[in-house]
Amino acid sequence: AQTVTQSQPEMSVQEAETVTLSCTYDTSENNYYLFWYKQPPSRQMILVIRQEAYKQQNATENRFSVNFQKAAKSFSLKISDSQLGDTAMYFCASQLNAGGTSYGKLTFGQGTILTVHP
Amino acid sequence: DTGVSQNPRHKITKRGQNVTFRCDPISEHNRLYWYRQTLGQGPEFLTYFQNEAQLEKSRLLSDRFSAERPKGSFSTLEIQRTEQGDSAMYLCASSLAGGLRTGELFFGEGSRLTVL
Repeated sequence: AQTVTQSQPEMSVQEAETVTLSCTYDTSENNYYLFWYKQPPSRQMILVIRQEAYKQQNATENRFSVNFQKAAKSFSLKISDSQLGDTAMYFCASQLNAGGTSYGKLTFGQGTILTVHP
Repeated sequence: DTGVSQNPRHKITKRGQNVTFRCDPISEHNRLYWYRQTLGQGPEFLTYFQNEAQLEKSRLLSDRFSAERPKGSFSTLEIQRTEQGDSAMYLCASSLAGGLRTGELFFGEGSRLTVL
C-alpha cells in the first residue's frame, strides 16, 4: 500500500517570494510516479508537475520545481516568484507504474492550503 | 473537447434517497476514475475503469455504491439509500493508459452531494 503525508495544513507567502511545500510518501515499490496537483477554490484539480521515480533529475515546470529525495521518500514543491493566482490547495500524490503503463490510481496526501498575499 | 464534464454539479437529497452522477471523460481517454473528497481532505479513490471494464474498487465503495461505464465512454456513479456520511464532493477523472503523458489524470469540477 502507498501512503502520502503532507504535514503542513496551511502555508502563506508574499507575492514574488518563494515557498516550499513538503511531502513524504511510503511505498514498497521501486517504480512509481509522484505528482503535485493544484486545486483552486471551486475549480477543478490540475496537474502542476510530475516526477518519475527512476529519474534522478528533479522536474521543473517554469516557476515550479521539485526536490525529489528517493532514499528519504521526500518530494517537496518549490514555487518561485509566487503569484496571486497560485493561491490554492496543493496535493501531493503517488502512483504505481508497471512496465511503462501506469496502474492509474493516485494516492493523495491531505493537502496544503497555500495563500499568496499581495 | 473541453475536458472532463460532470453532472449535476450540486445535488441535495434526503437521507434514504438514491442519487446518480454522470461523468463524461475526455473523448480519447480510455481510463476513468471516481474519487470522493470531503471538505479539507485529499481525494480518496473509489473505483476505476479501463474502457468498459471496472478494474479496481476501493473498500470505501460499499454495496450501496455502484459505478458503470457501459460503452467505455461516459460513466455513472449511483448511491442508493443515501446516508449523511455520503455528503462529499465526487470527482471524476480520466487519463490515457500509456504514452508520453502516462499517469496524468484530468479532473472534472466535481459533483457536490449534500444529504439532509
